[in-house]
Amino acid sequence: GAGVSQSPSNKVTEKGKDVELRCDPISGHTALYWYRQSLGQGLEFLIYFQGNSAPDKSGLPSDRFSAERTGGSVSTLTIQRTQQEDSAVYLCASSPDNNYGYTFGSGTRLTVV
Amino acid sequence: DQQVKQNSPSLSVQEGRISILNCDYTNSMFDYFLWYKKYPAEGPTFLISISSIKDKNEDGRFTVFLNKSAKHLSLHIVPSQPGDSAVYFCAARAQGAQKLVFGQGTRLTINP
Repeated sequence: GAGVSQSPSNKVTEKGKDVELRCDPISGHTALYWYRQSLGQGLEFLIYFQGNSAPDKSGLPSDRFSAERTGGSVSTLTIQRTQQEDSAVYLCASSPDNNYGYTFGSGTRLTVV
Repeated sequence: DQQVKQNSPSLSVQEGRISILNCDYTNSMFDYFLWYKKYPAEGPTFLISISSIKDKNEDGRFTVFLNKSAKHLSLHIVPSQPGDSAVYFCAARAQGAQKLVFGQGTRLTINP
């Protein structure tokens, strides 16, 4: 597709359940980023993938969060044992190598009840 | 540790007037700055950027000013239009880094 695709667009889950969020970046973009926006907050960096390099996981808030990127393309962000404070919009972005511009997806709105 | 700060959560401006959105940063290693615009239920979209070697960059109705000594940048929109109503995020990148650090955002409302 022409843009960054994220699925699902909305997810409601019960506290304690695991969730998987998917990101399909723009074809050919080697860099992929996950951010989240909690209510009333800015965009919080979570994790960054660049080509075959080890990901920058410095923004992951706890060990319940993990992400992988298969084949240098699709990425999955997994949250285990979800908590109410995990409720947020999770945004994925991609960019060409060494390019300063991100293209964001529309996000996944996660609600933990 | 909020390295990029947008201290005004909201701003209301009359159509046709100038909108000025402000952003402050603390990390002196930041050398590239961007503004993103976000409509509800959509991802942020890139608006304009500036390198630290410049103090001004203009693109149509949008101008970004950078004051390195004050660690401050601003986005000017003139004239403001109803379609400019959105949340605006300031972002910065440190030299040699790839990830962006974002501010909290400012919700701009343009009143007819």
